[in-house]
Amino acid sequence: DTGVSQDPRHKITKRGQNVTFRCDPISEHNRLYWYRQTLGQGPEFLTYFQNEAQLEKSRLLSDRFSAERPKGSFSTLEIQRTEQGDSAMYLCASSLDSRGTSGFYEQYFGPGTRLTVT
Amino acid sequence: AQKVTQAQTEISVVEKEDVTLDCVYETRDTTYYLFWYKQPPSGELVFLIRRNSFDEQNEISGRYSWNFQKSTSSFNFTITASQVVDSAVYFCALSERSFSGGSEKLVFGKGTKLTVNP
Repeated sequence: DTGVSQDPRHKITKRGQNVTFRCDPISEHNRLYWYRQTLGQGPEFLTYFQNEAQLEKSRLLSDRFSAERPKGSFSTLEIQRTEQGDSAMYLCASSLDSRGTSGFYEQYFGPGTRLTVT
Repeated sequence: AQKVTQAQTEISVVEKEDVTLDCVYETRDTTYYLFWYKQPPSGELVFLIRRNSFDEQNEISGRYSWNFQKSTSSFNFTITASQVVDSAVYFCALSERSFSGGSEKLVFGKGTKLTVNP
């Protein structure tokens, strides 16, 4: 399977605990995005990497959230001191780099990690 | 600010009926891309189509067709002869190039849940 993969698929944690999610993008894609989707809503942008550089963060990404993409390959999203409001589906997407072109490339999404904070 | 509105929250049809999903967008940019994604019950977002702001030609792919009208800022999606397997949540999304970081983050609508009954 050469698509975007995410691990774990489901995570249940108690309020106050830290959690970490992993995303493996499509191998030739150097752009990686994280989105959050709550029930009945569309995904909302959290952050974006161009290779290993985190170039944009949404105001939705509080100080409790941190994302990394070491070596420009897989990415991790950590949430510290989880709150019930963090319960959501966390989606990772990857795409080719459109810089230097006149086009945009579609983003391919992984299956998501569903987080439940009790 | 960018915004995508999918006014239809839920649609229910009987198999073989045609159905149109509406999408209206707002943007101040002249260069942008529009997308449709399908999210089946399994949860993974599946890319369906990408359309740039300079190409108003309608597109047909099998039972799917898309109608892009810049004059009304709409990008509607029609499924002809719907099938049970078309049951899913469909999202319309807009992307602009962000000069702050170069990301092409997607702004999603809230989605339309389509149920096709046998």
